[in-house]
This record gives sequence, C-alpha cells and structure tokens, in this order.
Amino acid sequence: GENVEQHPSTLSVQEGDSAVIKCTYSDSASNYFPWYKQELGKGPQLIIDIRSNVGEKKDQRIAVTLNKTAKHFSLHITETQPEDSAVYFCAASNNFGNEKLTFGTGTRLTIIP
Amino acid sequence: ETGVTQTPRHLVMGMTNKKSLKCEQHLGHNAMYWYKQSAKKPLELMFVYNFKEQTENNSVPSRFSPECPNSSHLFLHLHTLQPEDSALYLCASSPGTGGWTGELFFGEGSRLTVL
Repeated sequence: GENVEQHPSTLSVQEGDSAVIKCTYSDSASNYFPWYKQELGKGPQLIIDIRSNVGEKKDQRIAVTLNKTAKHFSLHITETQPEDSAVYFCAASNNFGNEKLTFGTGTRLTIIP
Repeated sequence: ETGVTQTPRHLVMGMTNKKSLKCEQHLGHNAMYWYKQSAKKPLELMFVYNFKEQTENNSVPSRFSPECPNSSHLFLHLHTLQPEDSALYLCASSPGTGGWTGELFFGEGSRLTVL
C-alpha cells in the first residue's frame, strides 16, 4: 500500500519568513496530493491540492510543488503570519475517484511573532 | 463550521463501558468516514460508508462497531476498549462515489480517553 513520509515533524519560523514542509510517497500510481491544516481543537481542513498532471499550484501565500520522478511534493508558505500556526498534513491518493487518502504524520508549524 | 458535527467532544470511559460516538453531516454528502488520530502517527482510516453501505474496514478490531443508518449520520459504538484506544476520533464526509472531488470535510473530533 501507499506510504507517505513527512518532514519535519516540528518547524518554527519567524513571522514574515517562509516555511517549507516536504513529503515523499511510495506508490508511483498516486495522482492526487492534498494538504490539510489542523488548528487547535479543530478537524483538518483542506488548504490546497495538486494533481499529477501539474508541477506547481499557487493560492495567495501558499504553494505546492510536485516532483513525480522523485516522488515528493512540498508545501510552501510565504510571508508567514501568526494564524499560520497549526499542524499541517500531506496526503496522497492513488486514484482520483477512489475516496481513500494516505496521510503523513503531520508537521507542527509555529510562527514566532 | 465545516458542516460536520461530532458529539460528544470529550469522552472518558472505563474498559468495561459501552459508549457511542455520533457524527452528523449537513452537506448532502453520501460518503462518511471514521479516522483515528493518535499523537505522532498518521491519520488512520478506520471505516468508509458510501450510500449507507460499508465499503472499507481497515482491519479495525471488533471492539469498534460502526453504524450508518442513513447518509447523514454515522455512529461508532465502543465496547471493551483498551487504554491504547485513547485518541481523537475524526468523522469526515465527501460527496461519494461518482462525485469525489478529493476533499474530505472533517468534524472537530471526539477526544476519547480510556481508563
């Protein structure tokens, strides 16, 4: 089955700096890669996703890049703000239409004011 | 507010108790999920229901018993649990087979502590 590894497990950055979280996956058939943000006391919420037919996707201050050859994808957050503090999860799915996601272990991001 | 409501938010139970977790979604979705979230582990998929039919049981011990009476409600019945079952249990929903966009809509979770 699919295995998703996520690094780092914790990350602290100064407010205004950039943050990068990286994930690798094992199943070369995976073709959908979402990122979820989980704030304290809340459930995870989708913030951005990318499909295997594109290499990069941006949405304001967040972006995701995908390298299918190397089987890794990354979340980039620029101009970080205190409200970006949360746990971030990457995930992978091996078939769009198959409603199963394999999640990474999460990254606790702390923005230092 | 994600449209997925879980109750209770916190539950403490002994190993011989029987309790239930409830999930309700107001999004008109047809698929519902139970996930287990433990510290420093990936979210673990437990069960999937599509149109009230169970389509996934991820080798979950029988002390966890799901029930999906309709597409809007999902229960997780708990009995004879072990301390290692203490975790955050997350319910999620999605449009369902044929309407899958890739996004799961999660509730805020039920924090379970087994003494």
